[in-house]
Amino acid sequence: DVKVTQSSRYLVKRTGEKVFLECVQDMDHENMFWYRQDPGLGLRLIYFSYDVKMKEKGDIPEGYSVSREKKERFSLILESASTNQTSMYLCASSLAGGGPRTEAFFGQGTRLTVV
Amino acid sequence: AQSVTQLGSHVSVSEGALVLLRCNYSSSVPPYLFWYVQYPNQGLQLLLKYTSAATLVKGINGFEAEFKKSETSFHLTKPSAHMSDAAEYFCAVRNGGSQGNLIFGKGTKLSVKP
Repeated sequence: DVKVTQSSRYLVKRTGEKVFLECVQDMDHENMFWYRQDPGLGLRLIYFSYDVKMKEKGDIPEGYSVSREKKERFSLILESASTNQTSMYLCASSLAGGGPRTEAFFGQGTRLTVV
Repeated sequence: AQSVTQLGSHVSVSEGALVLLRCNYSSSVPPYLFWYVQYPNQGLQLLLKYTSAATLVKGINGFEAEFKKSETSFHLTKPSAHMSDAAEYFCAVRNGGSQGNLIFGKGTKLSVKP
């Protein structure tokens, strides 16, 4: 069974802390994504990566950075957590290219609370 | 640029009634379209996808969706709602560029009344 695993389901961090959210996929997918989900706003893309060490900004990259040192792992970093980053974070992966097998597979999500 | 609009942030139906969740898309290229479901405190699970084969797409849990190019729509339906269908549903279109990310609608929360 295909799997995207996020390291934490729930996290509580203090304002100003550096926060790492980890995501691992076992499907050998080239693409990996970080989305943020907020009520009424749907899912918004923060960053994505289409290859090891490659990254591109999504719609809301401010206050975040990412790291992809290995194909299966994609990390989201909050350099200095703020209360407005309290949210549900979803990691996803997909195959590269424009073929029909283009769906994204999602992890279970990390609900981050910044106090 | 691609975009997705889901009409209705909340939909409520009675158990056994028809479920209809609306999705309209905007795309400059032939789209790949998706419906995902999210149960409380869970990630997103793929319900079905349209990838330019049959216009009527059948998915899991008895859901189906019809691609209508003339209406730029991809509405999700189920003939008879079950209590277990209560969840949030997201329509998405694949970004036409090389990146491959999905662009999501804002979601529709489905409630099922006994």
